[in-house]
Amino acid sequence: AQTVTQSQPEMSVQEAETVTLSCTYDTSESDYYLFWYKQPPSRQMILVIRQEAYKQQNATENRFSVNFQKAAKSFSLKISDSQLGDAAMYFCAYRSEYGNKLVFGAGTILRVKS
Amino acid sequence: DAGVIQSPRHEVTEMGQEVTLRCKPISGHDYLFWYRQTMMRGLELLIYFNNNVPIDDSGMPEDRFSAKMPNASFSTLKIQPSEPRDSAVYFCASSLYHIQGRSMNTEAFFGQGTRLTVV
Repeated sequence: AQTVTQSQPEMSVQEAETVTLSCTYDTSESDYYLFWYKQPPSRQMILVIRQEAYKQQNATENRFSVNFQKAAKSFSLKISDSQLGDAAMYFCAYRSEYGNKLVFGAGTILRVKS
Repeated sequence: DAGVIQSPRHEVTEMGQEVTLRCKPISGHDYLFWYRQTMMRGLELLIYFNNNVPIDDSGMPEDRFSAKMPNASFSTLKIQPSEPRDSAVYFCASSLYHIQGRSMNTEAFFGQGTRLTVV
């Protein structure tokens, strides 16, 4: 079974600075998908960014980018120019190519200081 | 599209009572998921459906939990009888399995969740 590990229960960043959230996963599969979801206090789960394992290029969405290291099974999220609205719980998630369910990490609480 | 709609947003019930949570997925989506979120266990998949058929219910904690999807636009998660340890946020999510070339649209869209409190 696949597992996803987020080793940072909580992180803080100063507004306008950059922060990186870590995620590692364990799988024996070669094709899969990785996601970062954001959960603000409203508790809505919002997709931030996705990465297909077969793509070598790291995904980028505006201020959000990932560092995908397939051999190391690492999938970190970098948030540049942090804003107060980025404060939330962030979940890393894995999806097999051969199934449709998401396996989530435990989450990282991100606090943004003004 | 209104997104995934869950009701109620909040539910408080007494131990032993039956609780029914409802979900309307995004129109056209063929997968529907029920997740439970707690502080202790994080986000757990309870069950998911494909084209209204239950595919994997291995995450359903006990026989007290049951889920149905009578049609493509509606699903329920029922707990009978409820217990205090069932207190959690329950999320419904839906997705469309759609292949475009090599890429698959696998994004799951979540509802706003139902916060269940069993006293």
